[in-house]
Amino acid sequence: GENVEQHPSTLSVQEGDSAVIKCTYSDSASNYFPWYKQELGKRPQLIIDIRSNVGEKKDQRIAVTLNKTAKHFSLHITETQPEDSAVYFCAATRTYSSASKIIFGSGTRLSIRP
Amino acid sequence: NAGVTQTPKFQVLKTGQSMTLQCAQDMNHNSMYWYRQDPGMGLRLIYYSASEGTTDKGEVPNGYNVSRLNKREFSLRLESAAPSQTSVYFCASSEAGGQREQYFGPGTRLTVT
Repeated sequence: GENVEQHPSTLSVQEGDSAVIKCTYSDSASNYFPWYKQELGKRPQLIIDIRSNVGEKKDQRIAVTLNKTAKHFSLHITETQPEDSAVYFCAATRTYSSASKIIFGSGTRLSIRP
Repeated sequence: NAGVTQTPKFQVLKTGQSMTLQCAQDMNHNSMYWYRQDPGMGLRLIYYSASEGTTDKGEVPNGYNVSRLNKREFSLRLESAAPSQTSVYFCASSEAGGQREQYFGPGTRLTVT
């Protein structure tokens, strides 16, 4: 079946440095790639997304890149801050019957060192 | 506007017991979803409902049933709970169509002993 692989599973960076999380997906029909942030004990929340007709998208300190040929997409966080510490999930989405059926990666626990 | 709400927040069951997890959304979304989250495994889709009156299996449907009661409510039922169903359960909703953000509820932490 479809799957999404996410690396690394844990990542520790110095405050102010950049963090990069990478994902690969198997379903070539996937056309929407959201990234969710989940703080400890809380619900996942969307931070950025990218559609298959776009190669890159940026929102302040966060950017996502997509390579459809290689089935790779990545999250880049620049100038990291303590509040960036959380678990980040990538996902690949395909549309079935008008619903978005998402396959999530296994998550990356990002820790920001002061 | 409460968004997506779930009840209960916590539940402990004995093996073989049954229970229903409730989910409701007030955003007029057509699509609703049930996920389970286990440590190190991300979120896995159990069932989803593209619109009122329809439900479909996700990645891990075995041991669960769902009911889309109306546009607002989507419930998840465990008929005979097993320890392997110990997990955090999240309900989510989205607008109709693909490429839509999913809004998650606060989750239900379920322990089966």
